[in-house]
Amino acid sequence: NAGVTQTPKFRVLKTGQSMTLLCAQDMNHEYMYWYRQDPGMGLRLIHYSVGEGTTAKGEVPDGYNVSRLKKQNFLLGLESAAPSQTSVYFCASTPSTSFLAETQYFGPGTRLLVL
Amino acid sequence: KQEVTQIPAALSVPEGENLVLNCSFTDSAIYNLQWFRQDPGKGLTSLLLIQSSQREQTSGRLNASLDKSSGRSTLYIAASQPGDSATYLCAPPGGNTGKLIFGQGTTLQVKP
Repeated sequence: NAGVTQTPKFRVLKTGQSMTLLCAQDMNHEYMYWYRQDPGMGLRLIHYSVGEGTTAKGEVPDGYNVSRLKKQNFLLGLESAAPSQTSVYFCASTPSTSFLAETQYFGPGTRLLVL
Repeated sequence: KQEVTQIPAALSVPEGENLVLNCSFTDSAIYNLQWFRQDPGKGLTSLLLIQSSQREQTSGRLNASLDKSSGRSTLYIAASQPGDSATYLCAPPGGNTGKLIFGQGTTLQVKP
C-alpha cells in the first residue's frame, strides 16, 4: 500500500491564482482531513470528510473549498490564493467505524508559497 | 474548545539520556490521545495511541501515559539516540469525528 499520497509536493503561486491539491489514500478509509501547518500555530484543521460525497468545515476553512467525489480522493481547492495561505498542507485519513482505536495516517505534505 | 500545550518547546540532550516530554490539554472528555513524530520537512508518523481506558502504552523505547483527570500526557523516551532527533506532537481529539487538535510540539535534539 502507498498509504496517503499528496500531489504536488511543492508549488509557487501568484496572488489571485487558483490551484487544487490532491490527496489520495489506498486504505479504504472513510474519514479524510486537510490540515495546514504554520510556524508558531501548529497544525490546524481546514476541512474534513466523513465519507464519499460529504464534507465539513474545520477550524480555518475560509478561502478553501473541498470535494470528496471518490472515497479514495479528497481535493482541496484555493480559488484565489493569498499570501496568508502560504503554508504546508497535510492530508490525513482514518477508518470510520474504528476511529476510536485507530491512528490517523498522514501524507508527506504539500508546500505552498503564495507570492 | 480543546487546547493543547506542550512543554518544553525545545530540548537538547546528550545521547543515552532518558527524557520526558509533557503534554497538557483542557478538555478531559477524550476517547484517546495520539503522539506523533515529525522529521524536518516531512509528514507526521504515528508513534503511540492511548485509549481513554488505558493509562500507558509502550512501543520499544517509547512509553506514553495518559491521565485524563488532570488533563496530562507524557512521552518517555529511554536511552535516547541521535536518530530520535525530531519534533514530537501530542494530539487529543477535538470532538467525535476523529479530527485532532495538535500542540505546537517539542523539538528534540539528541547529540552524539
